[in-house]
Amino acid sequence: NAGVTQTPKFQVLKTGQSMTLQCAQDMNHEYMSWYRQDPGMGLRLIHYSVGAGITDQGEVPNGYNVSRSTTEDFPLRLLSAAPSQTSVYFCASSYGTGGMNTEAFFGQGTRLTVV
Amino acid sequence: AQSVTQLGSHVSVSEGALVLLRCNYSSSVPPYLFWYVQYPNQGLQLLLKYTSAATLVKGINGFEAEFKKSETSFHLTKPSAHMSDAAEYFCAVSGRYAGNNRKLIWGLGTSLAVNP
Repeated sequence: NAGVTQTPKFQVLKTGQSMTLQCAQDMNHEYMSWYRQDPGMGLRLIHYSVGAGITDQGEVPNGYNVSRSTTEDFPLRLLSAAPSQTSVYFCASSYGTGGMNTEAFFGQGTRLTVV
Repeated sequence: AQSVTQLGSHVSVSEGALVLLRCNYSSSVPPYLFWYVQYPNQGLQLLLKYTSAATLVKGINGFEAEFKKSETSFHLTKPSAHMSDAAEYFCAVSGRYAGNNRKLIWGLGTSLAVNP
């Protein structure tokens, strides 16, 4: 059971480039989310999805797009990379929402550097 | 609205000493509470969770946490620190029911250093 798989693990982008961070889970979880982790700022929610075809914004959505065409996949797109998007990105999934359903399972992270 | 406060962004202990990482929450309904650990260059993994079955919760790697409603706290402890415990620790809270309180709310994390 692979759990949550993120690719790539490392990426360097030039300012203005676009890219997609991939996230896939094989646990049939309804809820998926993307976080960014920066020193001293903890985890900040970028976007989340409560099921296929349904996405919503988190705390820091600007500069990012998501889509959820299948239960398994939840890619994060950087439209035009900026140095402020240098961060470690985590994808997480959970059974659903509310109570115990919110127990999150995390991918290994993508370390992104924008130069 | 729910919130989580982790007191102390950095904690340093000696190997063999007691580990105490503090977490206080704010919630209008009885919450679910979680502690996660993040080892260097890795993702987060669940240490333990409080679901109201018991106020003292035991987790992996010898960690435990006690839910104290009167103090709105869920502090993480381990009797004897090991070098391998050096990591970032996150406390998180979720509402008990689906709805507006359904997302996980995270603390800012506490970095634990263990000195030989």
